[in-house]
Amino acid sequence: AQSVAQPEDQVNVAEGNPLTVKCTYSVSGNPYLFWYVQYPNRGLQFLLKYITGDNLVKGSYGFEAEFNKSQTSFHLKKPSALVSDSALYFCAVRDFNTDKLIFGTGTRLQVFP
Amino acid sequence: DSGVTQTPKHLITATGQRVTLRCSPRSGDLSVYWYQQSLDQGLQFLIQYYNGEERAKGNILERFSAQQFPDLHSELNLSSLELGDSALYFCASSVGTAGVSGELFFGEGSRLTVL
Repeated sequence: AQSVAQPEDQVNVAEGNPLTVKCTYSVSGNPYLFWYVQYPNRGLQFLLKYITGDNLVKGSYGFEAEFNKSQTSFHLKKPSALVSDSALYFCAVRDFNTDKLIFGTGTRLQVFP
Repeated sequence: DSGVTQTPKHLITATGQRVTLRCSPRSGDLSVYWYQQSLDQGLQFLIQYYNGEERAKGNILERFSAQQFPDLHSELNLSSLELGDSALYFCASSVGTAGVSGELFFGEGSRLTVL
């Protein structure tokens, strides 16, 4: 069965510093991977996805993610963090048998001024 | 704005009661998904409908049921409510089961509080 893991409950970073939010996956076959962000009292917003092609995927709000097949990882990155990036981030993998997304447990990103 | 509309935004009710949550998917989307988000269990997939038919079932309790209507809107019915049902319920939609892009578009959620 497909699954994703987010090993960190919280990531703290200073504004202006690079940030990384980690995600590893477990799938049989080629994975379809996604990152979503959730701001307080809001729904989930799509950030980016990896389907195939270039291992570095660029998304919304300056975020990017690197797909690494050998390490089964799909880490979310941003070169320079903003305080407004503080939110809950979810990694997800698509279930090929249906169409649903299977989400990780989420990582809370806190960016300090 | 994702284009997915959920009502009500907030709902407070008592144990043993029944509530209905409503979702209107994005225009043209045939698939509707329901997720439950609670503090201690993250995002749990409940059920998926595609063009009116149940497509996949997740960790949905027998006290819960859902359906998708001909106009593609969906309703999630929660009955015999318990304190532990208090959560944020999200609806999401996508083009279909074989959508190339695959991303889901989420509504703002319905926050249910059971007292």
